[in-house]
Amino acid sequence: QVQLVQSGADVKRPGSSVKVSCATSGGIFSSYAISWVRQAPGQGLEWLGTVIPVFGTTNYAQKFQGRVTITADESTSTVYMELSSLRSEDTAVYFCARALEGPFWGSPLDPWGPGTLVTVSS
Amino acid sequence: EIVLTQSPGTLSLSAGERATLSCRATQTVSSNYLAWYQQKPGQPPRLLIYAASSRATGIPDRFSGSGSGTDFTLTISRLEPEDFAVYYCHQYGSSVNAFGQGTKLEIK
Repeated sequence: QVQLVQSGADVKRPGSSVKVSCATSGGIFSSYAISWVRQAPGQGLEWLGTVIPVFGTTNYAQKFQGRVTITADESTSTVYMELSSLRSEDTAVYFCARALEGPFWGSPLDPWGPGTLVTVSS
Repeated sequence: EIVLTQSPGTLSLSAGERATLSCRATQTVSSNYLAWYQQKPGQPPRLLIYAASSRATGIPDRFSGSGSGTDFTLTISRLEPEDFAVYYCHQYGSSVNAFGQGTKLEIK
């Protein structure tokens, strides 16, 4: 049974950066893409980007290019998402989710982590 | 970049009724790589359907997906009380993923 465990809630000042972690267990870490999706309060789902650990490659949504960095640490089976230049509109729950079908950019997402609330406030 | 539009925004039905949710794409979804998720308050999304019509593991057969190209449908044949939630479509046929804005299925 694959499980994704995310870091705890965080509060950040505008202009700062946040780094959220997603630790995986119960599967072959490097063989599956991991994506990050966020959800602002009362809003829908928004894809930020994807990393494929076995290839060491990343793909980001154009909206977040230059502000988001997704990395993978195979030694700890953990993926990180760092978002910089934070503004109030970045307040959201950030989910990590594993690709159902392997090391592919395009894959349905299952399972999902529980989410991490990031609040940006002065 | 593909944009997904879901309709209706809110669907009010009673338990036992049939629900039909729509997802329309601005361009053809490659290989019909379209998924559907269910989300309840305070929970992450749950995968229901992938590749337009394949049910994910453990999903009851009252959930079915259909469609191709730019038009896709999620059907719930007989609503159970636990089915009232928000549903999202997701296209993963290109390297740029996209989600629809969601359809809220509420109890009438």
